[in-house]
Amino acid sequence: KAGVTQTPRYLIKTRGQQVTLSCSPISGHRSVSWYQQTPGQGLQFLFEYFSETQRNKGNFPGRFSGRQFSNSRSEMNVSTLELGDSALYLCASTTGQGAGSPLHFGNGTRLTVT
Amino acid sequence: GEDVEQSLFLSVREGDSSVINCTYTDSSSTYLYWYKQEPGAGLQLLTYIFSNMDMKQDQRLTVLLNKKDKHLSLRIADTQTGDSAIYFCAENDNQGGKLIFGQGTELSVKP
Repeated sequence: KAGVTQTPRYLIKTRGQQVTLSCSPISGHRSVSWYQQTPGQGLQFLFEYFSETQRNKGNFPGRFSGRQFSNSRSEMNVSTLELGDSALYLCASTTGQGAGSPLHFGNGTRLTVT
Repeated sequence: GEDVEQSLFLSVREGDSSVINCTYTDSSSTYLYWYKQEPGAGLQLLTYIFSNMDMKQDQRLTVLLNKKDKHLSLRIADTQTGDSAIYFCAENDNQGGKLIFGQGTELSVKP
């Protein structure tokens, strides 16, 4: 079974631009979560989508948004990029049914904002 | 609020056992997880334990859970240089895909 796939692996953007990151979950998984990883703040939860609906949201500004498609693939968008948005963005998928279903992570998208 | 704490660094000799410790605050946590992150990679799920269990063993990995003290540990037997990585402890309070992570423990294995 293929794992969680994130594209692109690397992105360089300029302040003020917007960016879209993509995530394809493991086949059969209906929940996709997004995390931001930085040296200063560590791993922080952004949001979770299940069956095309946002099920949970972390404490990030409205510039961070996401969506999920009917095939469970998900995209994350960041508008009006700031230098502090430079981070590794990780996507994780799970079946979404039951607390015991563990999250499986992709290799992430490294975003650099200049 | 929810908080997960880990020590930042651990250095061991190849062949020794490594013990990585974690404390958490949320008593309603249902599952507790250990992930491994190698340079330039995402998080690899190592193992997880349900909160009504005390111990779980999986090959070289042993997880111990002390619910009273909210303390979780990961023991790696016969540590190898390939085990050098950052190890994250995480808790799930039954909120689906939302995990609360510790800061990560950087394990360095010296030959």
